Amino acid sequence: ETTVTQSPASLSMAVGEKVSISCKTSTDIDDDMNWYQQKSGEAPKLLISEGNTLRPGVPSRFSSSGYGTDFVFTINNVLLGDEGIYYCQQSDNVLTFGSGTKLEIK
Amino acid sequence: QIQLVQSGPELKKPGESVKISCKASGYTFTDYAMHWVKQAPGKGLKWMGWINTYTGKPTYADDFKGRFVFSLEASASTANLQISNLKNEDTATYFCARAGWDYVMDAWGQGASVTVSS
Repeated sequence: ETTVTQSPASLSMAVGEKVSISCKTSTDIDDDMNWYQQKSGEAPKLLISEGNTLRPGVPSRFSSSGYGTDFVFTINNVLLGDEGIYYCQQSDNVLTFGSGTKLEIK
Repeated sequence: QIQLVQSGPELKKPGESVKISCKASGYTFTDYAMHWVKQAPGKGLKWMGWINTYTGKPTYADDFKGRFVFSLEASASTANLQISNLKNEDTATYFCARAGWDYVMDAWGQGASVTVSS
C-alpha cells in the first residue's frame, strides 16, 4: 500500500498570497494524484485529477505539478473563499489520502 | 445534474447495526463505481472500498473487512453501506462518492452521520 505524506498540516495566509502544499508518496505512482477541497461541514470537492488536470468549473488559480513520488498543489492569489482543508489522494493502487492541510485566510 | 443523496443521521448503541443509503441521479448508475469514505470527527478522509455497480462485486480496504458490507439496489440507482456490531470508533460521517474506472472520485454525497453511544 502506498503511503502519502502531506505537508504542512496547516497554513495561515493573507488574501492574494500564494499557497503551496506538498504530497510525497512512498511508491512511484506516475501522475495518479488527485486534489480535493473540503469546506467546513461539506463533502470534499474534486479540484484536480490525474495528470494535473483542472476539473471543469475550477478556477485557474488552482494548479498542481509533479510525477512519480513528489507532488505540489498551488493556489495563486488566494481568496477568503478558499478557506478549508485540502487533501491529496493517490489513485495508482489501493486508494490512500494525505492527512490534509488546513488553510486559514488571515 | 449529477446528485448523490445520502440518508439522514443515525444514533445507535454499541452492538447494533446501521444501513446508510446513497441514491444517485443525473447519470447512468452502472457506468460508474461507488466508493465509500469515512471521516471521524475532526479527522481526515479514509477510503473504505468500492462496489462495482455493474457486477455488484464489492472490494474492501483492509481496515473495513468483516463488519462492513456494500450492496446495491440497482433498479433504484442506490448503493448501501451496512455496518454491523457497531463500536464507538465507528462514530463518523460516511460519504459515498462516484468514480470512473480510473478511481477518481468526481461526485460526492453530502455525508451521513453515524453516532455510536450507549
